[in-house]
Amino acid sequence: EVLLVESGGGLVQSGGSLRLSCAASGFTFSTYWMHWVRQAPGKGLVWVSHIKSDGSSSTYADSVKGRFTISRDNAKNTVYLQMNSLRVEDTAVYYCVRDNWGFDYWGQGTLVTVSS
Amino acid sequence: DVVMTQSPLSLPVTLGQPASISCKSSQSLVSSDGNTYLHWFQQRPGQSPRRLIYKVSNRDSGVPDRFSGSGSGTDFTLKISRVEAEDIGVYYCTQGTHWPPWTFGQGTKVEIK
Repeated sequence: EVLLVESGGGLVQSGGSLRLSCAASGFTFSTYWMHWVRQAPGKGLVWVSHIKSDGSSSTYADSVKGRFTISRDNAKNTVYLQMNSLRVEDTAVYYCVRDNWGFDYWGQGTLVTVSS
Repeated sequence: DVVMTQSPLSLPVTLGQPASISCKSSQSLVSSDGNTYLHWFQQRPGQSPRRLIYKVSNRDSGVPDRFSGSGSGTDFTLKISRVEAEDIGVYYCTQGTHWPPWTFGQGTKVEIK
């Protein structure tokens, strides 16, 4: 069974940092691209970042470019999202998502709340 | 960036009746490899999104056959042949042809009339 379990969310002040983790199991993690997608309270889904299977390349939404960094450790079956210079508008549930002809498996999400 | 426009944004439905959601993209979603990376997701209240349909018309494992996807180019449709109570939630389309960014529609809220 494919499982994606996010952790690391919480309450942080504007300008602060958080690192999210996503532990994957039930599939060969090192062969899949992975994404982070977020959802602000009561709002829709917004793609944040992606990383290729071997970690050689990554992309970011304009809204987080230069502030967020995605990485992965294929030996630990884990993908990370380092979030710096957090803003109130970054408040959202952050989902870790596997890419297999699109976003086929989603984690349960971890809530990040940025206070002013 | 490719803009995905869904309609309607709110869809009151009667149980047992059909329902249809439209998704239009600002440019063709046909990829250079010949595939069309248009997918549909369901998000039930309080749950994570779940993919229903990938590449326009392919149902994911475990998805009831009352869900179907169709379309081409820039116009796509998700149909529910007979709505059941468990189908209540928000439905999103997304494109993965022209990335980054991957983009989503605004979501369509399906609720019981």
